[in-house]
Amino acid sequence: AQSVTQLGSHVSVSEGALVLLRCNYSSSVPPYLFWYVQYPNQGLQLLLKYTSAATLVKGINGFEAEFKKSETSFHLTKPSAHMSDAAEYFCAVRGSGGYQKVTFGTGTKLQVIP
Amino acid sequence: DSGVTQTPKHLITATGQRVTLRCSPRSGDLSVYWYQQSLDQGLQFLIQYYNGEERAKGNILERFSAQQFPDLHSELNLSSLELGDSALYFCASSVGEGGYTFGSGTRLTVV
Repeated sequence: AQSVTQLGSHVSVSEGALVLLRCNYSSSVPPYLFWYVQYPNQGLQLLLKYTSAATLVKGINGFEAEFKKSETSFHLTKPSAHMSDAAEYFCAVRGSGGYQKVTFGTGTKLQVIP
Repeated sequence: DSGVTQTPKHLITATGQRVTLRCSPRSGDLSVYWYQQSLDQGLQFLIQYYNGEERAKGNILERFSAQQFPDLHSELNLSSLELGDSALYFCASSVGEGGYTFGSGTRLTVV
């Protein structure tokens, strides 16, 4: 079984500051890991995904995440926050192979302070 | 436009009623997933279909059912609706082992 834990349901950063959203995973098989973003009244949009290639994954809108097996982590970062980054972010995991479903974390709401 | 189409966008209905939510997956995607998102429960996986067959079930109530048709569109049927069923219902589709592509959701309000 796979699961993810997102640390912090709410994170506030100043505009221009580093964004760090934390995600730890648990998986009985090599995982595929994802970050999604949800803007108000919209569906979830895939930001980036790790599928066992490079451990540092670059996504859209300047976000990136690093897969660290030793720490079972997949934290999302962005060097400089923009007001438009305010949204809810979901970390997700699935097992590699077969028809395994994706399991989502509880989400982290990012507030960007001008 | 993500390529996953959900209709209707909004639905208001009374307790005890039955509704059908529709989802058309992205072209070429064989898998369809249904999720319920509410403030207290977060994003909950309901059910998955692959090329017309049920593949996985999550926290789906017995009052809820779904199917995927030969043209790959899917319907989620919710019956005997209760106030607590008010939520956003998302459909997602995928091909292979990549991430999901989500539709914009159906907001269901039960009054």
